[in-house]
This record gives sequence, C-alpha cells and structure tokens, in this order.
Amino acid sequence: GAVVSQHPSWVICKSGTSVKIECRSLDFQATTMFWYRQFPKQSLMLMATSNEGSKATYEQGVEKDKFLINHASLTLSTLTVTSAHPEDSSFYICSASGPDTQYFGPGTRLTVL
Amino acid sequence: GQQVMQIPQYQHVQEGEDFTTYCNSSTTLSNIQWYKQRPGGHPVFLIQLVKSGEVKKQKRLTFQFGEAKKNSSLHITATQTTDVGTYFCAERYNFNKFYFGSGTKLNVKP
Repeated sequence: GAVVSQHPSWVICKSGTSVKIECRSLDFQATTMFWYRQFPKQSLMLMATSNEGSKATYEQGVEKDKFLINHASLTLSTLTVTSAHPEDSSFYICSASGPDTQYFGPGTRLTVL
Repeated sequence: GQQVMQIPQYQHVQEGEDFTTYCNSSTTLSNIQWYKQRPGGHPVFLIQLVKSGEVKKQKRLTFQFGEAKKNSSLHITATQTTDVGTYFCAERYNFNKFYFGSGTKLNVKP
C-alpha cells in the first residue's frame, strides 16, 4: 500500500516556541492531505484539509493562525504549531488521499513543557 | 461535521470470545470505512462499505452496513491477542474528508 511518512516522530519543546511537522507521501502524489490531532484515549479530530497550491481549509474551532499549514508540493505538507502551549500537546497525524481511502502517517507526538 | 457514535467505548474479552462494535449515525451515511489503530500506532484502513445492507468478510472479521445506511458493525469471531487495538468507523465526505467515530478499544486477555 501507499506510504506516508511524518517527521519528527516525537518532539518536546518549550512553551512559546514553534514546531514544524512534515508529512510526505513517498510513493504517490497527493493533491490533498489532512491533518488530525488525537488526545489520549480519544478519537481522531480533523483539523484541516491541506490543498496543494492553495490555502488550507480549517475545521470549525481550529485557529488557522495557530496551526499554519503549507502544501507546497504534491508530496509534502507541513503543519506548524506556532507559539505552542502545554494544551497543544497531542498526537498529530497526517493522511494523504488515495483513490479509495486515505493513508495515514505514523504520527508525531508533541509535548510542550 | 457528521456525528458518528460508536459503542461500546471499551470492551474486554477473553481470547476466543467474539467481539462486536457498532457505529451509529442520526443521518444517512454515504459510506462507512473501518480502521484499526494499535496502541501507539496510527490508523490502518480495513474496509469500506457503500451499499445498503452490504456485508463483507475478512477472515475472522465481518463488516455490515445497515439497510437504512445509518449504522454499521464490525464483528470479530474468536478474538486473538493480535486483535487488540482501537477500532474506528469513519464517514467519507466531500473531497475525501473523513470524520471518525469515537472508537471502541478492544482488549483481549490471553
């Protein structure tokens, strides 16, 4: 099946700093990628839809200035958590859209101290 | 987004027992997908159901889509310890957006 990678797999940062997470589709081109966050023991919550060459579409309640998304190429989307705070600590997962389903990256665990 | 509820939230079974998780929606679903997420891992696609009343099988897993397309179920026969994980249903929306159900966490005791 298709492969999606994420980098880094985990990151610890200080409150107030910004963190960039990369999502790459390794063996196919993805015009659309999605970003989810998952709190412990909870479901995946869709944050935003990342469209190659255009602005991302954010779900209701997600701050676009807080979570910056860039989809500059057909194989790379980035999520930047700006001015991170402890409540931003979570598991962030990206996915890339395939013909019938979506393929998930391995996730990035962010801990903000 | 669509509200898709799953029950039960948790299920503990003895190895060899059967397991079923249910996904319910107040509105008609265009389709339903099922995913499995192992502890510490990411969701892995299992199957997609589209047709009313559809039933699909994958070895010990049986997936059903309700006649009214408002509910779906995943049944595992004779669970094994390798079945441990959280099972999510998800509905596919426009432009391949997916909204996930709340998930059912399965624990299998050997």
